[in-house]
Amino acid sequence: DTGVSQDPRHKITKRGQNVTFRCDPISEHNRLYWYRQTLGQGPEFLTYFQNEAQLEKSRLLSDRFSAERPKGSFSTLEIQRTEQGDSAMYLCASSLGVATEAFFGQGTRLTVV
Amino acid sequence: GQQVMQIPQYQHVQEGEDFTTYCNSSTTLSNIQWYKQRPGGHPVFLIQLVKSGEVKKQKRLTFQFGEAKKNSSLHITATQTTDVGTYFCAGHGDYKLSFGAGTTVTVRA
Repeated sequence: DTGVSQDPRHKITKRGQNVTFRCDPISEHNRLYWYRQTLGQGPEFLTYFQNEAQLEKSRLLSDRFSAERPKGSFSTLEIQRTEQGDSAMYLCASSLGVATEAFFGQGTRLTVV
Repeated sequence: GQQVMQIPQYQHVQEGEDFTTYCNSSTTLSNIQWYKQRPGGHPVFLIQLVKSGEVKKQKRLTFQFGEAKKNSSLHITATQTTDVGTYFCAGHGDYKLSFGAGTTVTVRA
């Protein structure tokens, strides 16, 4: 296992379309995080899972965003009816447990045109 | 909710000089982590501090956790061009890991 992998690395979509991103965490990690990062800002928390349970979701996240982690393995983040403001880098991270270091993937850069 | 703030936002440093970046949380943290993100890259873990007043060193980097576990600092001595990047602190409070906006460091040779 070489680390956290995300797919795709880049996505260009038209406004109003739906997009789905995938994250494969490090295999033994039970915690998985999704963050969004825009230029000049720190990663903004979106949601996180412990195994298959989604334990917290940011209040900033609209109903257009949904995330799943079936069977506690890989995770998907879906954005419905994309808007230009959704353009950002979407980062996934995983960790072994509470208060341990998070390992980030390379991210998926979304551009909404 | 938990908020983590960092200052300064930008740090322009002459090669060889020292500098410090500061991190403050609105709530008490169970621990604080520091990450470095190179331009075009993703955040990479540097260190974690857990105990009140804890100090840890990694070569030219010194990390401190405040006594009240609400603030932290990163001090870099003898800055090198390899130190270029954005340094984030991230606090573990209510289970999730919340990041500050980061300090972006540029180095003048």
